[in-house]
Amino acid sequence: QQQVKQSPQSLIVQKGGIPIINCAYENTAFDYFPWYQQFPGKGPALLIAIRPDVSEKKEGRFTISFNKSAKQFSLHIMDSQPGDSATYFCAVATSPLGGGSYIPTFGRGTSLIVHP
Amino acid sequence: DAGVIQSPRHEVTEMGQEVTLRCKPISGHNSLFWYRQTMMRGLELLIYFNNNVPIDDSGMPEDRFSAKMPNASFSTLKIQPSEPRDSAVYFCASSLNFGDSYGYTFGSGTRLTVV
Repeated sequence: QQQVKQSPQSLIVQKGGIPIINCAYENTAFDYFPWYQQFPGKGPALLIAIRPDVSEKKEGRFTISFNKSAKQFSLHIMDSQPGDSATYFCAVATSPLGGGSYIPTFGRGTSLIVHP
Repeated sequence: DAGVIQSPRHEVTEMGQEVTLRCKPISGHNSLFWYRQTMMRGLELLIYFNNNVPIDDSGMPEDRFSAKMPNASFSTLKIQPSEPRDSAVYFCASSLNFGDSYGYTFGSGTRLTVV
């Protein structure tokens, strides 16, 4: 059973567009929601993360929107650039306060292509 | 800082052979994680260590898989005997502290092909 469901599997946008990647989870014990970015031939790298006490977090052109009641969160990439072309993974984790240790369980990934 | 270093980058082996993947975590990091990435199953956590001690190996798929961390600067993942279904990219990651909310630093992975 997947702990977190990610969609879409792939996404193609034009430069300047705003790709949106969505994730949904069931376990309300999760209290840490990171996004990772992976370029071909490289390992995933932490991009941005949010905790459930806020509904939105921005870092540069990347924004996470979080809907606690719906158990959904999404990544928005503003003014997307060809250099943003990569695979994006959402993840869920439980903090030590929740009995966990921030170890992420990953979604299946979204392959994003940004055309020039 | 050289990051997490994995070797080899690519490994092609015949079914039934022993395969050993290597990882050098970032100096000073005390937690180490092994992941496997496939198209079918995505990124799966296989095993993780804290202060060189294996904490949870419930993700290790079969007894054919074993992992060791003899010291703070080196870990191995061994598959014996290897099978074609083991073909995947294997990632090692390390973090400064167990329960580090700033996430892990992943290596560039080892692409394993078992023919």
